[in-house]
Amino acid sequence: QLQVQESGPGLVKPSETLTLTCTVSGDSIRSGPYYWGWIRQPPGKGLEWIGSVYYGGTTYHNPSLKSRVTLSVDTSKKQFSLQVRSLTAADTAVYFCARHDYPYGLPTTHWGQGTLVTVSS
Amino acid sequence: QSALTQPPSASGSPGQSVTISCTGTSSDVGRYNFVSWYQQFPGKAPKLLIYEVTKRPSGVPDRFSGSKSGNTASLTISGLQAEDEAQYYCSSYAGGSILGVFGGGTKLTVL
Repeated sequence: QLQVQESGPGLVKPSETLTLTCTVSGDSIRSGPYYWGWIRQPPGKGLEWIGSVYYGGTTYHNPSLKSRVTLSVDTSKKQFSLQVRSLTAADTAVYFCARHDYPYGLPTTHWGQGTLVTVSS
Repeated sequence: QSALTQPPSASGSPGQSVTISCTGTSSDVGRYNFVSWYQQFPGKAPKLLIYEVTKRPSGVPDRFSGSKSGNTASLTISGLQAEDEAQYYCSSYAGGSILGVFGGGTKLTVL
């Protein structure tokens, strides 16, 4: 049974960089055609796709966040990661990692439980 | 890339049918049959209900169905049950490297 689990800080300061890691268990991170992605949800608001990565390293980004976001994958550790730079309060959200069944339209069966990240001094 | 447009709320009585719309543009919903629908309960991760406009993942009741006309996709829930009270989101492929854009969400209330 595939599981994905987010880890990282719950509180970060404005202007700093957030790094979140998602650990995959129960299946290979190399399984295709799956993509591994990040989706966030500000408190009380809707979902926003941040970006997705294929195990081979190909990345896709939400254009509105692309300049501040780095995605990476470490197949040896069965992990993929998200970095968001120059944080502001608007980046406060629950961050979900997930496995997309395939990339187009982001059909996503497997989600992490989500981790709340608060940007505050 | 703008978010897809969903009504903020919808409601229906048990046993009735309710339809939630998701309006995009000719660059996303209207161009591609890659529309997904999700159900989300408070504090939980979303659950995939529909993918590729009309397909249901294994385990999703056939009370949930999807359709599309032009730039608008729709989710219909028939035989409404109290347990269907939740937030519903649509998403669509938007072309090129924009793998997905979400709707703003619809809060469904079962009266």
